Amino acid sequence: DTAVSQTPKYLVTQMGNDKSIKCEQNLGHDTMYWYKQDSKKFLKIMFSYNNKELIINETVPNRFSPKSPDKAHLNLHINSLELGDSAVYFCASSQRTGVNYGYTFGSGTRLTVV
Amino acid sequence: AQKVTQAQTEISVVEKEDVTLDCVYETRDTTYYLFWYKQPPSGELVFLIRRNSFDEQNEISGRYSWNFQKSTSSFNFTITASQVVDSAVYFCALSEAYSNYQLIWGAGTKLIIKP
Repeated sequence: DTAVSQTPKYLVTQMGNDKSIKCEQNLGHDTMYWYKQDSKKFLKIMFSYNNKELIINETVPNRFSPKSPDKAHLNLHINSLELGDSAVYFCASSQRTGVNYGYTFGSGTRLTVV
Repeated sequence: AQKVTQAQTEISVVEKEDVTLDCVYETRDTTYYLFWYKQPPSGELVFLIRRNSFDEQNEISGRYSWNFQKSTSSFNFTITASQVVDSAVYFCALSEAYSNYQLIWGAGTKLIIKP
């Protein structure tokens, strides 16, 4: 039973298209995240939702829009894709209490914009 | 300012050698958490360890060991008797209340174990 699942695993698309990446967790965690890993392997937070509420929104182009229909799902929609959006996107979840229990990651979505 | 520094971009050793990966962090919180993750060539992020700021005991798990030193703000990772399967990129990360508990990542150290 996959704890954090992302779909699709690979996504190849043309510039200018709109695409979505879905993420679901079955751990009962309160908080979900999107991280971007660039070609140099650098990982950076993009968004964080706690119980469907946006709590972190880093400097990300507004072409990226997260959507959290419930606390088990955090989807990432990207409009007007650009070459520079090519990266691996990781979804993660955590139980946000006073004690930080750690994070569970999805297997990543490799987005290639051509 | 870099909050998590992994100064070693790439390390290459021969199998069975011991290797230490360095991690230095900075935070203004007194309660924080430090992590190590492994990213093998297949791409997934594999959790290795979580350490909270109040627990300075060193940890050993098989061939892996971690040395947490608050005095030097370091959380170094040692692999003893390295194996080819240890080849991966290793990330150190910090989680602090000041940053809403997001993971703040180091740049990663690529470890190559040659047979």
